[in-house]
Amino acid sequence: DAGITQSPRYKITETGRQVTLMCHQTWSHSYMFWYRQDLGHGLRLIYYSAAADITDKGEVPDGYVVSRSKTENFPLTLESATRSQTSVYFCASSELRGSGGYTFGSGTRLTVV
Amino acid sequence: GENVEQHPSTLSVQEGDSAVIKCTYSDSASNYFPWYKQELGKGPQLIIDIRSNVGEKKDQRIAVTLNKTAKHFSLHITETQPEDSAVYFCAATINNDMRFGAGTRLTVKP
Repeated sequence: DAGITQSPRYKITETGRQVTLMCHQTWSHSYMFWYRQDLGHGLRLIYYSAAADITDKGEVPDGYVVSRSKTENFPLTLESATRSQTSVYFCASSELRGSGGYTFGSGTRLTVV
Repeated sequence: GENVEQHPSTLSVQEGDSAVIKCTYSDSASNYFPWYKQELGKGPQLIIDIRSNVGEKKDQRIAVTLNKTAKHFSLHITETQPEDSAVYFCAATINNDMRFGAGTRLTVKP
């Protein structure tokens, strides 16, 4: 989608390394979200943010760190990557939380070896 | 998405036939139910949604029905076309969080 971009599209990293996934939106949406997508589990919420400097845990936050110093950016950091964090990660944004449609980025496929 | 169950996990239909995907949810307070379509290599895209004060909503070949008493909702696609082939996700709000079903891979055979 033109309004929300994720980078990189693909990333291979080694166990124990720190890796940061980037997300940028151009709509000035209040809310931003990070989901991971795994076969058989659908999309599970990792962290979300209601505004700059306001973040909160989702369903599966362990091993992840987020920040939101600017409204348009919401990076996700894996401080010490593990093989169980191999997944496809999606960033999303929305004006509302839980009561309106979310706009998703194209995803980052992360492989931890 | 453990609070939202989706069936079937895979669905194959002939072009022109109808496709139905069903979801159930656990929280009776859920009030918003979107459906997303995910094409290969892309992020999920909202295709239709329904709120709890409505029983049915239609948009061209796509319709969604909601049964609040039974806590289930369904996506109906009529006159399917090959470009409808994708993974479809249902979702429901639970404590203001969007919880997703595990997805249905729909294949429309020409």
